[in-house]
Amino acid sequence: KAGVTQTPRYLIKTRGQQVTLSCSPISGHRSVSWYQQTPGQGLQFLFEYFSETQRNKGNFPGRFSGRQFSNSRSEMNVSTLELGDSALYLCASSLSPGQTYEQYFGPGTRLTVT
Amino acid sequence: AQKITQTQPGMFVQEKEAVTLDCTYDTSDQSYGLFWYKQPSSGEMIFLIYQGSYDEQNATEGRYSLNFQKARKSANLVISASQLGDSAMYFCAMILYSSASKIIFGSGTRLSIRP
Repeated sequence: KAGVTQTPRYLIKTRGQQVTLSCSPISGHRSVSWYQQTPGQGLQFLFEYFSETQRNKGNFPGRFSGRQFSNSRSEMNVSTLELGDSALYLCASSLSPGQTYEQYFGPGTRLTVT
Repeated sequence: AQKITQTQPGMFVQEKEAVTLDCTYDTSDQSYGLFWYKQPSSGEMIFLIYQGSYDEQNATEGRYSLNFQKARKSANLVISASQLGDSAMYFCAMILYSSASKIIFGSGTRLSIRP
C-alpha cells in the first residue's frame, strides 16, 4: 500500500507570494491533518479535514487555509508569505478522525521564504 | 493548560543498551491518548506506540514500551536493546478526545546511538 505523498518536496518562495501544498493520503484514509514544524516552535497542528469538512483548526492566522477533495486528497494554501512561514509542512492521514493517534505522515514539504 | 514536556533535548546511548525517553503531560481531560513518534533525518514522522488514558496495561510494540504512570502524568518511552537505526528525533504527543481530537506535541528528544 502506497504511503502518504506530498508535493512538492521542496519549495522556495519570496515574501508576499502565495503557495499551495498538496497531500495524497493512504488509500482508504479519509482524515487528513496538517502540521507545521519549525526549530523555534516545534510541531504545531494546523488543521484537520474529514469528508471534505474542516473538523479542527490550530492557532494560525487566516492566511493559512486548506481544503479536502472528494477523493480525500488535501491542499493547504498560505497567502502573503512571511519569512516566519519557512518550515517543514507535514501532512498525515488516518482512517477516521477517531483514529487520529495512528496517523501516517508524509515526507513533508520544506518551504523556504526569502 | 494542555502541555507536553520533554526535558531531554538530547541523549547519547551505547548500542544495545536500553534507553528511556521522558515525557510528562498536563491536562484536566479524562479522555486522552499519549503516543510517540520517531523522526529520522529524512523528516518523515513514524508512529511508534499509543496508550489510551483508560488503558490499564502499559503498551508495548516490539522493542518499544510506554511506561504510563497516570498519577504522575508521565508517559516515558523505553527502547530496549538500542540499535544504530534508532538515532533520530523522538516526539511525545497527546490527543485530547474532548477537543475534537486536537493533538499537542512535545519539543522532542534527539537520540544518538553510539556504536
